[in-house]
Amino acid sequence: QVQLQESGPGLVKVSETLSLTCNVSGGSISDYYWNWIRQPPGKGLDWIGHIYYNGDTNYNPSLKSRVSISLDTSKNQFSLKMNSVTAADTAVYYCARGLWPNWNYHDYWGQGTLVTVSS
Amino acid sequence: SSELTQDPAVSVALGQTVRITCQGDSLRSYYASWYQQKPGQAPVLVVYGNNNRPSGIPDRFSGSNSGDTASLTLTGAQAEDEADYHCNSRDASGNYTVFGGGTKLTVL
Repeated sequence: QVQLQESGPGLVKVSETLSLTCNVSGGSISDYYWNWIRQPPGKGLDWIGHIYYNGDTNYNPSLKSRVSISLDTSKNQFSLKMNSVTAADTAVYYCARGLWPNWNYHDYWGQGTLVTVSS
Repeated sequence: SSELTQDPAVSVALGQTVRITCQGDSLRSYYASWYQQKPGQAPVLVVYGNNNRPSGIPDRFSGSNSGDTASLTLTGAQAEDEADYHCNSRDASGNYTVFGGGTKLTVL
């Protein structure tokens, strides 16, 4: 059974960089797309971006200038960095395994981690 | 605003059938998937590829797609089905993943 677990600071200051890591266990990181998805309080899901196991990345155009996703296959982990954060980036951040492009779905999700951006 | 449009809220009587819809031009070309999310929990995939159910998802959940609209149908709604439901597909360019705004399902 594949399991994903997010980790990282729960509080980030305005204008600083948000950094999160997702640990993947119970399965290989190969042959899938690894996603970051967020959900502001009381709102819907917002796709941030994904990385393929070969290192190819794709980002939400609205966030592309501030976001970077990387992969460490030796540790079965992938990471998110988002710079110049504002209060609007306060959200629960999820990592998820995805199948793309012929399909488009996310079959395993982490439990999510709340990141609060404050001054 | 999202490129996939969902009704914010829908209600259904216990044991009855309800359809939750997701509208967007990209649905004419790309598969939709659906997720159930209960308060304080991560989303759970319930339908993918328009009309396929992952292992463990009850068969009262089914999906369909017609033109620019994807639908999730719940046949015989149970109290535990009360949740938010999110649709997912690609944007109009086909290059990115997008989610609908979500539909809150109330079981009366």
